[in-house]
Amino acid sequence: RKEVEQDPGPFNVPEGATVAFNCTYSNSASQSFFWYRQDCRKEPKLLMSVYSSGNEDGRFTAQLNRASQYISLLIRDSKLSDSATYLCVVLGGATNKLIFGTGTLLAVQP
Amino acid sequence: EPEVTQTPSHQVTQMGQEVILRCVPISNHLYFYWYRQILGQKVEFLVSFYNNEISEKSEIFDDQFSVERPDGSNFTLKIRSTKLEDSAMYFCASSAGYPPGTEAFFGQGTRLTVV
Repeated sequence: RKEVEQDPGPFNVPEGATVAFNCTYSNSASQSFFWYRQDCRKEPKLLMSVYSSGNEDGRFTAQLNRASQYISLLIRDSKLSDSATYLCVVLGGATNKLIFGTGTLLAVQP
Repeated sequence: EPEVTQTPSHQVTQMGQEVILRCVPISNHLYFYWYRQILGQKVEFLVSFYNNEISEKSEIFDDQFSVERPDGSNFTLKIRSTKLEDSAMYFCASSAGYPPGTEAFFGQGTRLTVV
């Protein structure tokens, strides 16, 4: 089983749509979880951390289900500028290394 | 806003040559990392560095690779005898490391092309 698994997409959605991304992780001892965003040929940038209680930042909502080892990201009212690859990331190892999923490509259409 | 800087942005090298990729992490950070991303693939962990030594490395990080922090600011990745399959984007990252789960900041990357 892959350490972090995501649906690669692409997700093609119209502006204004709501889109959800899912991710599973294999190491039940993982403690910290993130969603990063990566634009084409750019570096990953932190979008938001994911907490067990769920957290929201504007149009973005992240959820964590530890029992199922499942992480989600919901984007409401999609904008053209949301088009990017969304990376599910888990903190692992003794040295806080980040373990990346393959990413899910989102294309928001006008 | 503090940032991680990497040089060069693009490096083209011939197969078999040595390359050094350079990074300046954020000044008060304690953990440093190198990741790579082959075109179209996921970001892969190479190595982490803490307290002036390697603290963890992946299977990818074999004897061909080495890291160094030659002074108080630079963090370098050396690739000896480059191979075609080393062509990738190499990202440096740094983190304060505490509290656990603190954000890691990435540099803009060095695109390495081995010909």
